[in-house]
Amino acid sequence: AQSVTQPDIHITVSEGASLELRCNYSYGATPYLFWYVQSPGQGLQLLLKYFSGDTLVQGIKGFEAEFKRSQSSFNLRKPSVHWSDAAEYFCAVGETGGNQFYFGTGTSLTVIP
Amino acid sequence: DVKVTQSSRYLVKRTGEKVFLECVQDMDHENMFWYRQDPGLGLRLIYFSYDVKMKEKGDIPEGYSVSREKKERFSLILESASTNQTSMYLCASSSPLRQFFGPGTRLTVL
Repeated sequence: AQSVTQPDIHITVSEGASLELRCNYSYGATPYLFWYVQSPGQGLQLLLKYFSGDTLVQGIKGFEAEFKRSQSSFNLRKPSVHWSDAAEYFCAVGETGGNQFYFGTGTSLTVIP
Repeated sequence: DVKVTQSSRYLVKRTGEKVFLECVQDMDHENMFWYRQDPGLGLRLIYFSYDVKMKEKGDIPEGYSVSREKKERFSLILESASTNQTSMYLCASSSPLRQFFGPGTRLTVL
C-alpha cells in the first residue's frame, strides 16, 4: 500500500541555519512527489513537485528537494531559514492517474531568532 | 491562477445538526477532494469525486456524505454532527498531477 512517512513531528532551527525535512515513501510505481507548506490557519500551498527528470528540483521560497529512488526519499532543504518559514510542511505522493494523493503526517517547523 | 473557495472559514454547530460544507473551484477540474486534518494525523481523505455525480470513499467516510451536482461544486455533508467531527476540513481540486487547496473550514461541534 502507498504510504508517506515524515519521521520528524517537530523541528526547531535558528534563523539563518540550514534546514532538511525528511520524507520517505512507499509506492509501487514511479512516484509523483510533492511538498506543501501550510501557514497557521491557511490551506496548503505547493512548494515544489517531482514527476521525472532531474532528481533535484527547485521550488518557491528558496526550497529544493532531492528524489533518491534507492532510498525512497524526497527530502526538502533550504540553505538559510527565515522566520517566515515557520509553518507545517507536508510531503505527498500522487498516483499516476492523478486521482489519489497520499500525505505524510506533517512536520512542524519553529524558527528561533 | 486556480482558485478553490470554501463557504466558511469558521463554523460552530451543535451535536446532531446537519452541516453542509461547500467547496467551489474555478478551473474546470474533474477531480475534487475532501480531507480532514487533525494534529498528528496529517490529512486524511474523506471522499473524492472524479466527475459530476460520481464519488468514491476515501479512508474515513463514516459519518459523512458528499454531493457533486455541478462540476465546480463539491459539498461535504455531516448528516448528524458529533463532537468527534470537530476538525479542520480542507477541500482540493486537481489537474492531472497537482492539487489545489482551499483555505480550510475549522468546524467546531459542541
